Amino acid sequence: KQEVTQIPAALSVPEGENLVLNCSFTDSAIYNLQWFRQDPGKGLTSLLLIQSSQREQTSGRLNASLDKSSGRSTLYIAASQPGDSATYLCAVNTDKLIFGTGTRLQVFP
Amino acid sequence: NAGVTQTPKFRVLKTGQSMTLLCAQDMNHEYMYWYRQDPGMGLRLIHYSVGEGTTAKGEVPDGYNVSRLKKQNFLLGLESAAPSQTSVYFCASSFTDTYEQYFGPGTRLTVT
Repeated sequence: KQEVTQIPAALSVPEGENLVLNCSFTDSAIYNLQWFRQDPGKGLTSLLLIQSSQREQTSGRLNASLDKSSGRSTLYIAASQPGDSATYLCAVNTDKLIFGTGTRLQVFP
Repeated sequence: NAGVTQTPKFRVLKTGQSMTLLCAQDMNHEYMYWYRQDPGMGLRLIHYSVGEGTTAKGEVPDGYNVSRLKKQNFLLGLESAAPSQTSVYFCASSFTDTYEQYFGPGTRLTVT
């Protein structure tokens, strides 16, 4: 059974820091992996989608990598800002999305 | 282009009452999904649909029913609500099962 783990569960950093969020999964047979952002009391906003054949995807200050063989993905956020404060979720697609429990990020000024 | 919308945004039910949550999408997506989100559990798939007139069970289907009479709408029903169904419910849609999923804003349901 596919399991998705996100470490750390919570992270607090000062503005301007570069940071890495981790996602690991137990079964490498995936179609793709999605990173989402969730603000308190809100829905999920898709940030990046990496297909199983890709190694990384970039969008602005965000870069996501995928190493399928080791069951790992990282989300790199450059020059963090207070507006980046949110919960970040990763989900692997095995024809259904299996979600991790998220990393709660706080960026303070 | 509204994307995925959900009705209602909030609801409080007493144990044993019934209700229907409505999800609508305007992106012509074939696939639609219902998830629930609970603290410490992440999002879990309740039911999904691969096209108009079809439904299938997800990871946690017990106590819920669904219908997809029109391609753009996916309804989630609770026939006899229980406190264990207190949760935030999210609807999502996608072109196929391997495409990006787009999520609605959620419905916060409390069962007392």
